[in-house]
Amino acid sequence: DAKTTQPNSMESNEEEPVHLPCNHSTISGTDYIHWYRQLPSQGPEYVIHGLTSNVNNRMASLAIAEDRKSSTLILHRATLRDAAVYYCILPSGGYQKVTFGTGTKLQVIP
Amino acid sequence: DTGVSQNPRHKITKRGQNVTFRCDPISEHNRLYWYRQTLGQGPEFLTYFQNEAQLEKSRLLSDRFSAERPKGSFSTLEIQRTEQGDSAMYLCASSLGLAGHYEQYFGPGTRLTVT
Repeated sequence: DAKTTQPNSMESNEEEPVHLPCNHSTISGTDYIHWYRQLPSQGPEYVIHGLTSNVNNRMASLAIAEDRKSSTLILHRATLRDAAVYYCILPSGGYQKVTFGTGTKLQVIP
Repeated sequence: DTGVSQNPRHKITKRGQNVTFRCDPISEHNRLYWYRQTLGQGPEFLTYFQNEAQLEKSRLLSDRFSAERPKGSFSTLEIQRTEQGDSAMYLCASSLGLAGHYEQYFGPGTRLTVT
């Protein structure tokens, strides 16, 4: 899998938007960008994925840079339940082997 | 659809004992993955199955580890002669495994403590 780089931690105030960055400068043309999050004491949870165009779903939005070397996960209004570790991954080869890094730990301040 | 389930949720064992964990994936999912996660780290890939075939295996999976998915449904992960370094959360995930639908759905994990 191509390597991703994320900040170790971020803070956000409750009900404010959060932008979680991910750098993936070695991304190949066929790599999808996937985001997962892991709440305390739970297994990871799929959030969103995209290839080139920005994507929206009920959980979040994914903004992908034009050169695809970076992406940003956007939580439009952070809640206390969004406090989690967020992982940006680029599984290759048809998702046969997936490498998670250490992710970004998001703290939401009430 | 009840999601991915794992049993047991917690296991405490003495060093040298064998342990077996079970994973029941979402019923229509073809792919099943096992991961290990230690404190402060992201999940580490161990192995994955496409139906009953084990197609990828990490070098982390030593000879003491074996995984099976005999009928392409549930899977078991066995650790023989456990060591204290095996203490971790063992996570199972499943996915449809079709183009555009590779996202994984994780179970709650089995926490193993080796004393």
